[in-house]
Amino acid sequence: DTAVSQTPKYLVTQMGNDKSIKCEQNLGHDTMYWYKQDSKKFLKIMFSYNNKELIINETVPNRFSPKSPDKAHLNLHINSLELGDSAVYFCASSHGRLLSGTDTQYFGPGTRLTVL
Amino acid sequence: QQPVQSPQAVILREGEDAVINCSSSKALYSVHWYRQKHGEAPVFLMILLKGGEQKGHEKISASFNEKKQQSSLYLTASQLSYSGTYFCGTLGAGSYQLTFGKGTKLSVIP
Repeated sequence: DTAVSQTPKYLVTQMGNDKSIKCEQNLGHDTMYWYKQDSKKFLKIMFSYNNKELIINETVPNRFSPKSPDKAHLNLHINSLELGDSAVYFCASSHGRLLSGTDTQYFGPGTRLTVL
Repeated sequence: QQPVQSPQAVILREGEDAVINCSSSKALYSVHWYRQKHGEAPVFLMILLKGGEQKGHEKISASFNEKKQQSSLYLTASQLSYSGTYFCGTLGAGSYQLTFGKGTKLSVIP
């Protein structure tokens, strides 16, 4: 009965490879996000989609590309992986664009990416 | 701008109280509090809206001082299960994204 799910949970790969992380939410939310949490626990937003439309695109390398086939899914594809990409990546979702008083984000379990 | 949380870390004995602060330099629409345990995802605790309201859930409560753009999280009679890193996420007026502080690591010991 998982609300926000991510696969895989762990991802170990070599520099230069291309990898994808998948995210799905069954909450009926319209907005989904990708966050990167580094070794110092800093949570930084990367992207956000609302009804399949990109609404937040922070300064991240263009090796990172989000893809939203429908509003329940937001995948993250990473090309030419680098050592600095090692981190935990969290997917999250919210009902809307967080402008209503009771709306907040619900996080998935995270994907720990290790680039060797 | 990233909100500033204080303290960075705190150690409590069971039953003690703690206050975690979150300050922003810009006008805020809301403050969201999360707790993250080691190796797990951040879990939503509560939202504070501008208007200075105070909310609470059992022994964890929070306030939002709109004039100071500051929110405080109050943990009373702490339990071992309160251990974790607490993050505040702030939402500016007209913004679509939460900006998180660096977190406050809370450790509750027997």
